[in-house]
Amino acid sequence: GAGVSQSPSNKVTEKGKDVELRCDPISGHTALYWYRQSLGQGLEFLIYFQGNSAPDKSGLPSDRFSAERTGGSVSTLTIQRTQQEDSAVYLCASSLLANSYNEQFFGPGTRLTVL
Amino acid sequence: AQSVTQLGSHVSVSEGALVLLRCNYSSSVPPYLFWYVQYPNQGLQLLLKYTTGATLVKGINGFEAEFKKSETSFHLTKPSAHMSDAAEYFCAVSNQGGKLIFGQGTELSVKP
Repeated sequence: GAGVSQSPSNKVTEKGKDVELRCDPISGHTALYWYRQSLGQGLEFLIYFQGNSAPDKSGLPSDRFSAERTGGSVSTLTIQRTQQEDSAVYLCASSLLANSYNEQFFGPGTRLTVL
Repeated sequence: AQSVTQLGSHVSVSEGALVLLRCNYSSSVPPYLFWYVQYPNQGLQLLLKYTTGATLVKGINGFEAEFKKSETSFHLTKPSAHMSDAAEYFCAVSNQGGKLIFGQGTELSVKP
């Protein structure tokens, strides 16, 4: 079946612009996670959604970052007023439920470059 | 707070040799531990996981890992490396809600 998909695969933007990154999780998965992978910081958790519950935003690095999940499916990660340090690969993952032992299935990522 | 340390950012082995990638964790509660593999320009793929029960866990592609509570370790091994094993490997511990805390990763090179 279809896995987790992300778009765009690459995004180049200018400093100060806003960007939106999209994630389509596996159908039927109620949990959705966003991570960031950068050379300096490695893989970092950003935010997760479980069903209709309030998201856990504890990993968002600043208030320029936000995310939403519409209809319990597709999610959009928005970065406002991008900075060069936001350059990274943004990975989305989904799982059946948001618990400690379920496998997370990862998308291929969106590579963001801020000039 | 939970954390993961992977010893060695780069490991190089010859084809057919033993692969050993080291992972130590810190956790105040019984941990759920994972190994993921990332091939170039791809997302992460689960190799294996430890939740409860048997401490020796077998995964895909011939990999296995042993949970040792006394050593707070979860090292990944494979008896015989193959060229296709060249990739980056991440050890992770799961936090509340399934948030994964990753180690810094180990890049495995396999020489012919």
